[in-house]
Amino acid sequence: KAGVTQTPRYLIKTRGQQVTLSCSPISGHRSVSWYQQTPGQGLQFLFEYFSETQRNKGNFPGRFSGRQFSNSRSEMNVSTLELGDSALYLCASRPGTVGNQPQHFGDGTRLSIL
Amino acid sequence: SQQGEEDPQALSIQEGENATMNCSYKTSINNLQWYRQNSGRGLVHLILIRSNEREKHSGRLRVTLDTSKKSSSLLITASRAADTASYFCATDAGNSGYALNFGKGTSLLVTP
Repeated sequence: KAGVTQTPRYLIKTRGQQVTLSCSPISGHRSVSWYQQTPGQGLQFLFEYFSETQRNKGNFPGRFSGRQFSNSRSEMNVSTLELGDSALYLCASRPGTVGNQPQHFGDGTRLSIL
Repeated sequence: SQQGEEDPQALSIQEGENATMNCSYKTSINNLQWYRQNSGRGLVHLILIRSNEREKHSGRLRVTLDTSKKSSSLLITASRAADTASYFCATDAGNSGYALNFGKGTSLLVTP
């Protein structure tokens, strides 16, 4: 099975712009989660989608949003980019039907804000 | 928010030695997981231990969980240079939806 695929791998934007990141989960996985990783704050949960519905949301401003499509692929969008949004954004998937399942992570999108 | 705290923050050992990393957390959990991250890559799942389990093994990895102390440890035996990576513990509180709370990780360097 193919793993979790995130595109693009690297992205450079300027302050005030918006960006959309994409994630294709492992085939058959219906749960997709997004995490932000920075040197200062570490790994922080953004949100989780299951069957096109947001089930859980972390403590991030409304500039961060996401969605999931019927094929389980997910996108996250960040509007009005700030310098502090520079981070590695990781997507993870799991079957999602029961608890106690590990997350399978993609290699992330490295977002740099100039 | 960070729930897990790993200790030590950095660890340097030689090949063949054992590496032990500890993790403490604050609230009750459904399970605790350990992940490895190589530089510039995503996280790789290592072991999941449920709250009613005390010890789990996978190859050269041994994880213990003490829910009374809210702590866990990861032991890597006979370390190899390829084990060089950052190791994170993550807790699942079992809330509706699914969110892992990660610690800041232990950076392990294994030298030949």
